[in-house]
Formats: sequence, C-alpha cells, structure tokens
Amino acid sequence: GEDVEQSLFLSVREGDSSVINCTYTDSSSTYLYWYKQEPGAGLQLLTYIFSNMDMKQDQRLTVLLNKKDKHLSLRIADTQTGDSAIYFCAESIRRTGNQFYFGTGTSLTVIP
Amino acid sequence: DAGITQSPRHKVTETGTPVTLRCHQTENHRYMYWYRQDPGHGLRLIHYSYGVKDTDKGEVSDGYSVSRSKTEDFLLTLESATSSQTSVYFCAISDGAGQGGPGSQYFGPGTRLTVL
Repeated sequence: GEDVEQSLFLSVREGDSSVINCTYTDSSSTYLYWYKQEPGAGLQLLTYIFSNMDMKQDQRLTVLLNKKDKHLSLRIADTQTGDSAIYFCAESIRRTGNQFYFGTGTSLTVIP
Repeated sequence: DAGITQSPRHKVTETGTPVTLRCHQTENHRYMYWYRQDPGHGLRLIHYSYGVKDTDKGEVSDGYSVSRSKTEDFLLTLESATSSQTSVYFCAISDGAGQGGPGSQYFGPGTRLTVL
C-alpha cells in the first residue's frame, strides 16, 4: 500500500496550539483528509484539502499542505481537553479509483 | 452524523468458524467500504463496493469476502476465522461528492472481533 506516516504521540497543555504532522509518498493524491477518533468510536471527518491548495482554515483548525515535500499538517488552536483523541491523516489517490490510504494515527493528549 | 450502523458491535469466536459482519446505511450512498484497524497500521481497506453487486478488493482482502445485494447493506464474511483476523472492523460510506469534500468517507461505530 501507500506509505502515509505520522508520529505516534503528542502531548500539549490546554490552551496551547497543537500541530500534528503527516507525510505521504504518492504525488497523485487528489484530496487529503484529517479524521478524529475518540475512544471506542468510529472516525469523524474533521476537514479536507484539495491537493492544489496550500492552506485551509476552518475555525480552530488550520491545514497546511506542502506538496513539494509531501507534507501535511493539522494545527489546532487553543487546544481543549475535548480535543484529546487519535488523529488520522488520509490521502485519496486518483489512480487507485480514489481509494483512501490512512496514516497510523497520532494520539493527542491534552494536559489540563 | 451519517446514518451508519454496524452489527454486531462485539463478537468473540473460535478459530475456523465463519463470521459475518453487517453494515447498514440509511443515506443511500453509492460507495461502501470495509476497513480493519490494528495498532501500528492505521486503517487498511479490505473490500469496497461501488454499487449493488459491484465489489472490488482492497489492500488486505485475503481471507475475506463481501456481498452487497441492496444499496443499504454491505456484508463482510470471514469464511474461516483465524487469530490474525482479530481486529476492529469499520464500515464507511461515500456518495463520491459530499460537503466534506469529494469522496469523503463517513464511518460507522466499528465492530470489535476477537478470534480465539
């Protein structure tokens, strides 16, 4: 499968910004997505970015895409304890019929 | 939330027994997917469907089969369960468009399967 990599763990203090990083290998990605998974639950779509965009902002979330380096990041401003969860990045690849390839997930812990 | 349910939510079975997991949607979405989630691997696609009776293999399809006789139901079958198939299984749906971005997938709550 395609390689989509994320660091496994991140801890931040409540009120600080969190930055979750993701690298991918396939340059034919069409869209890139961020999902959130809370314990015992399915994945919840947070946001997405089209592959020809550099940045997308949605309230406390900012997505940055560096297509040259195949690097995607998710910034969460004013992180709250309710943001504690596992965050997955995913890419959809046109040549595979827009199948999704997920990263391994980053477990975010917010310290009060 | 997208109307997706999975049944059962938890199952314990023995090696060699057949197991069928069901995904049911009320959104009338064309595409349905089965993933497994394992530590260190994220989610990996098992099979997907792009319409009634139209299915295809994903990245980790060995040992699994699927069927889709109605738009709303997508079944995943383990013909003879093995311990390596112990995992959490997620169903997802997509209409190929959607407000979440074209091709955005929406996930069910998951089924935790343990094969002893």
